[in-house]
Amino acid sequence: GDSVTQMEGPVTLSEEAFLTINCTYTATGYPSLFWYVQYPGEGLQLLLKATKADDKGSNKGFEATYRKETTSFHLEKGSVQVSDSAVYFCALRLTGFQKLVFGTGTRLLVSP
Amino acid sequence: DVKVTQSSRYLVKRTGEKVFLECVQDMDHENMFWYRQDPGLGLRLIYFSYDVKMKEKGDIPEGYSVSREKKERFSLILESASTNQTSMYLCASSPTIDGYNQPQHFGDGTRLSIL
Repeated sequence: GDSVTQMEGPVTLSEEAFLTINCTYTATGYPSLFWYVQYPGEGLQLLLKATKADDKGSNKGFEATYRKETTSFHLEKGSVQVSDSAVYFCALRLTGFQKLVFGTGTRLLVSP
Repeated sequence: DVKVTQSSRYLVKRTGEKVFLECVQDMDHENMFWYRQDPGLGLRLIYFSYDVKMKEKGDIPEGYSVSREKKERFSLILESASTNQTSMYLCASSPTIDGYNQPQHFGDGTRLSIL
């Protein structure tokens, strides 16, 4: 079945460090891919998305590129801030379906 | 901004009780969803609805039911609560525009404890 695999957390970084959170997927069709972020005590917010191969989603300094050949959608940020501390979820949705399939989430902790 | 409002942030109920979780969205979205979030498991879809009075089972519907009598409101019902239903419950909604499903917007969640 369709699935999303994320790297285990927590990821602990110092402020201004480079961030990569790995995400790979398995899907029977051609999915759209998403990164959601959950700040403490809140629901999920859409961070960025990509709908087809080679698309790059970007928002708030975060980027992810849809790589069909490696079935990946890794999240990157060049310089993290303390305020980026949150749980990050990678997700996919098959074309024509409403359902999202989520990874297990990766907690990011950024220290000053 | 889209607003998805869940009626309670924290809820404590007893085993065997019938529990109602309410969700309201203010953007006239066609689609609404209920997920539960558990550590190490991510989010799992319980039920979703793509129209009033329409519902579809998600991945883990056992022990739950839903109701959508009005477009803006989607209720999750635990028919007879059990301790393994202690979890964080998240509601989401999304529009369908020109036949394409748009990203989901989430509420802040209800942390439910069953004693």
